[in-house]
Amino acid sequence: DGGITQSPKYLFRKEGQNVTLSCEQNLNHDAMYWYRQDPGQGLRLIYYSQIVNDFQKGDIAEGYSVSREKKESFPLTVTSAQKNPTAFYLCASRRGEFGANVLTFGAGSRLTVL
Amino acid sequence: AQSVTQLGSHVSVSEGALVLLRCNYSSSVPPYLFWYVQYPNQGLQLLLKYTTGATLVKGINGFEAEFKKSETSFHLTKPSAHMSDAAEYFCAVTLDNYGQNFVFGPGTRLSVLP
Repeated sequence: DGGITQSPKYLFRKEGQNVTLSCEQNLNHDAMYWYRQDPGQGLRLIYYSQIVNDFQKGDIAEGYSVSREKKESFPLTVTSAQKNPTAFYLCASRRGEFGANVLTFGAGSRLTVL
Repeated sequence: AQSVTQLGSHVSVSEGALVLLRCNYSSSVPPYLFWYVQYPNQGLQLLLKYTTGATLVKGINGFEAEFKKSETSFHLTKPSAHMSDAAEYFCAVTLDNYGQNFVFGPGTRLSVLP
């Protein structure tokens, strides 16, 4: 079955460490997104990518970095510059053509900074 | 700029009772509207969407929503709640048909009491 795989499901990090969250999709979708979810705040966009080798900052990109070297993969690195990284991170994808405005989500990765 | 409000961060209903989750949006033009459901520690799943045409939209699991332009609302309803409906529900909006700029509401947690 096609879908989005996020790993790891749970991750613990010490302050000052960078961590990378994996997002892989086999839906042949062009666009991919990273959202951060905090209680009571809904989803906030970190980065998105419409095509390979291109990505744009979202509303809260500071302290995060991404790459899009392959269509299937869109990893997110949470750097030590992110002041409050403890959150639930969701990866999503979408077909690229006009009218394809439904997001498909992965199961999420929960990052806890100790 | 678009915004989405969801009245009530937590709604409790009895099993078999009507479910009503409220969503209002702020937009200068008619948007595309979505309801997503999230079960604990999972990603979001599309319940239903409104793009154009009929203003009453039916979705999965017996949910439906009505787009009311005059009230800038897109409330979600289900005639009879089931225990399995307990989850968090997010209303979302985008103005463009490429889905580049989704805005999510803060979410409403639905509890179903036996």
